[in-house]
Amino acid sequence: DTGVSQNPRHKITKRGQNVTFRCDPISEHNRLYWYRQTLGQGPEFLTYFQNEAQLEKSRLLSDRFSAERPKGSFSTLEIQRTEQGDSAMYLCASSPISGTMYEQYFGPGTRLTVT
Amino acid sequence: GENVEQHPSTLSVQEGDSAVIKCTYSDSASNYFPWYKQELGKRPQLIIDIRSNVGEKKDQRIAVTLNKTAKHFSLHITETQPEDSAVYFCAASHGGSQGNLIFGKGTKLSVKP
Repeated sequence: DTGVSQNPRHKITKRGQNVTFRCDPISEHNRLYWYRQTLGQGPEFLTYFQNEAQLEKSRLLSDRFSAERPKGSFSTLEIQRTEQGDSAMYLCASSPISGTMYEQYFGPGTRLTVT
Repeated sequence: GENVEQHPSTLSVQEGDSAVIKCTYSDSASNYFPWYKQELGKRPQLIIDIRSNVGEKKDQRIAVTLNKTAKHFSLHITETQPEDSAVYFCAASHGGSQGNLIFGKGTKLSVKP
């Protein structure tokens, strides 16, 4: 499968614990985006990278959230001291930057449940 | 902040009928407008997109129209089939074509056989 992959697919954690998710983009895609989706809502932007550089973070992103893309390939999203309000589907998307090609392709997501 | 409004939130049609979903956006810099289809428990899938330099784009039974002056765009599905049943999201690029996407809240389309 050459699409965007995410691991784990599901994560249940207790409030206050730290969690880390991983996203592997489509190879050769320069841009990688993280979104969060709650039930009945559209995906909400969190942050994005071009290669290894983090270019933008949402103002809604708490300082408990951090993301990295150290080698410009896979990315990790860490949530520290999780809260029940962090329960959501965390989606990753990747996009090429080539001419007019900038479609974003999504991974299957990581569903986080904070108890 | 910038936002995208999407209507209706639910839409039920008979198989073979047409379905239309409408979105409006607020960011004047937006110039890329994709539509995603999301089936229950699955990832959003890009089904069609349009750039600001065109007013209409068609792909088989799916078409999208864009009115930049009015800041609205629409998805049209003709000859609907039960497998078209899903949640559809419109989105607009933030700050240009390569920025992050701002999504609408989705339209749940049900196609009754």
